[in-house]
Amino acid sequence: AQKVTQAQTEISVVEKEDVTLDCVYETRDTTYYLFWYKQPPSGELVFLIRRNSFDEQNEISGRYSWNFQKSTSSFNFTITASQVVDSAVYFCALTVAGGGNEKLTFGTGTRLTIIP
Amino acid sequence: GAGVSQSPRYKVTKRGQDVALRCDPISGHVSLYWYRQALGQGPEFLTYFNYEAQQDKSGLPNDRFSAERPEGSISTLTIQRTEQRDSAMYRCASSSRASETDTQYFGPGTRLTVL
Repeated sequence: AQKVTQAQTEISVVEKEDVTLDCVYETRDTTYYLFWYKQPPSGELVFLIRRNSFDEQNEISGRYSWNFQKSTSSFNFTITASQVVDSAVYFCALTVAGGGNEKLTFGTGTRLTIIP
Repeated sequence: GAGVSQSPRYKVTKRGQDVALRCDPISGHVSLYWYRQALGQGPEFLTYFNYEAQQDKSGLPNDRFSAERPEGSISTLTIQRTEQRDSAMYRCASSSRASETDTQYFGPGTRLTVL
């Protein structure tokens, strides 16, 4: 069985500060995929990134960066120079490959509030 | 359309009524997933389809819940004899490949409230 833990329920930071959202996962499979999704106040679920288990390179996309460490089973998400528009609930998710069913196992989410 | 669409966006019903929630996936996407998201929680898997075939319905809570995708495109999630505990956001997602892991893109969801 798969499990995703997002221990930070809520985080508040002042605008322009950097913030890191933690994600720890559990799986016995050697091939798996990790995701981050953003749920803004409007309620939709927006895809941010996908990473497979064989690619431990960190990724940067503008102000967003992701740190994948298999040794600690973590896939953390950092927002640099946060902005009010970053306020949302962020979900980390996991799926295992093979068999055609890529159902996602989500964490409980971290509510991020950026204070202007 | 450009993205996944769901209808209705909001549904209020009385306990005991049946409801049907619709999902229109991204054009050409062969895999379609249904999730349910309770307040303050992450989405939880209900069922999924490859083309018109329902491949896994292990997440459906009980036999009041059913889903279909008869022509391999639009899908309907039906809840019979609704109960208050069915109140939640119901989300649909689609992905482009049936045999290889791919990104799931979500629709806006249907907020179901059972009175």
